[in-house]
Amino acid sequence: GESVGLHLPTLSVQEGDNSIINCAYSNSASDYFIWYKQESGKGPQFIIDIRSNMDKRQGQRVTVLLNKTVKHLSLQIAATQPGDSAVYFCAETYGNNDMRFGAGTRLTVKP
Amino acid sequence: SQTIHQWPATLVQPVGSPLSLECTVEGTSNPNLYWYRQAAGRGLQLLFYSVGIGQISSEVPQNLSASRPQDRQFILSSKKLLLSDSGFYLCAWTPAYGYTFGSGTRLTVV
Repeated sequence: GESVGLHLPTLSVQEGDNSIINCAYSNSASDYFIWYKQESGKGPQFIIDIRSNMDKRQGQRVTVLLNKTVKHLSLQIAATQPGDSAVYFCAETYGNNDMRFGAGTRLTVKP
Repeated sequence: SQTIHQWPATLVQPVGSPLSLECTVEGTSNPNLYWYRQAAGRGLQLLFYSVGIGQISSEVPQNLSASRPQDRQFILSSKKLLLSDSGFYLCAWTPAYGYTFGSGTRLTVV
């Protein structure tokens, strides 16, 4: 479900390093997952998605990994840049049901 | 092209005053529409969703209400704002995959 009452966990990385952001989802029936990036003062933007029949999907500098056994989703960002600093949300859904969002992780990239 | 518009971008309102936030979608018909609230430094909370004109589902009981007077218009309202209504309000709709969000409204109740 939605962890809206929790303060956001934070991740601080050095510019150029790889970042790994993790998300635990709650519904074992969820079959579609999305990672969103939200910059300060803006709405969330789609980054990458994955369906439950896959365990890995790659985009430009980003990779999403899905482990259905432990209901875990991760977002890997290669060669992290200052422009990657934002809050990252995972989201899950199944069938035509509404999407449910995780609490989010704040990524800070140090120059 | 499909776009979502949300306004105003920022709003400062006194406690007890009314609220009306508007969201419109272009380039599609009969979209599912959503209102989310995001308190500072926290996650997204689903407030309302609508699958069609006049059809509103509420996720969280509160002093806010929503209406959908037209197919591509979704309005968030309050008759009397509380301090706890401060936050970042996001409208969203569902295109072919996932959700697309509006740019958000920063509401500060003083």
